[in-house]
Amino acid sequence: NAGVMQNPRHLVRRRGQEARLRCSPMKGHSHVYWYRQLPEEGLKFMVYLQKENIIDESGMPKERFSAEFPKEGPSILRIQQVVRGDSAAYFCASSPPIPLNTEAFFGQGTRLTVV
Amino acid sequence: LAKTTQPISMDSYEGQEVNITCSHNNIATNDYITWYQQFPSQGPRFIIQGYKTKVTNEVASLFIPADRKSSTLSLPRVSLSDTAVYYCLVGDPGGGNKLTFGTGTQLKVEL
Repeated sequence: NAGVMQNPRHLVRRRGQEARLRCSPMKGHSHVYWYRQLPEEGLKFMVYLQKENIIDESGMPKERFSAEFPKEGPSILRIQQVVRGDSAAYFCASSPPIPLNTEAFFGQGTRLTVV
Repeated sequence: LAKTTQPISMDSYEGQEVNITCSHNNIATNDYITWYQQFPSQGPRFIIQGYKTKVTNEVASLFIPADRKSSTLSLPRVSLSDTAVYYCLVGDPGGGNKLTFGTGTQLKVEL
């Protein structure tokens, strides 16, 4: 059973470009979470999605950021018109439909560098 | 959400037992206590979870006093490969696994 798969692992974008980060949850998991980690800091929650629904986006910046988890395919975190401050590691986590505990399974992350 | 406080860093030597304590004074009745481990350039990995008293698995033990206002992660006989950041989290499993991470404890294990 493959774990949470994120791609790309590393992404370089120039200021003003768009960044698209992909996350395929573990098999059987229908809940996906996105987190952002700045250097020397802990992970910060961004958004929680279930298939075709955004459940909680309280951690998402109001502009330029969006997320989706379509019926088919991976979850996508999209950052439009990237700025230097968007440089960070973005982690995706997944959990089963009925979480019995707070164990979430994380991917290896995508490291976004904005130049 | 209950806030957690833990030491910023700890140093140890191979073969020693390491205890990392986390304070969570405002823990709610439905909250569980969970610890994650993160190596550089990797996503966090679940270590252990508990609600009260003591929990033990093949990796660590978790001690939770009766008032649940703190918890202690115990790593027996650490090795160099245990060098990582350890995060203490509290949360309600029914809350959809939205996790709140603090800055964690950087554990450094030396020879």
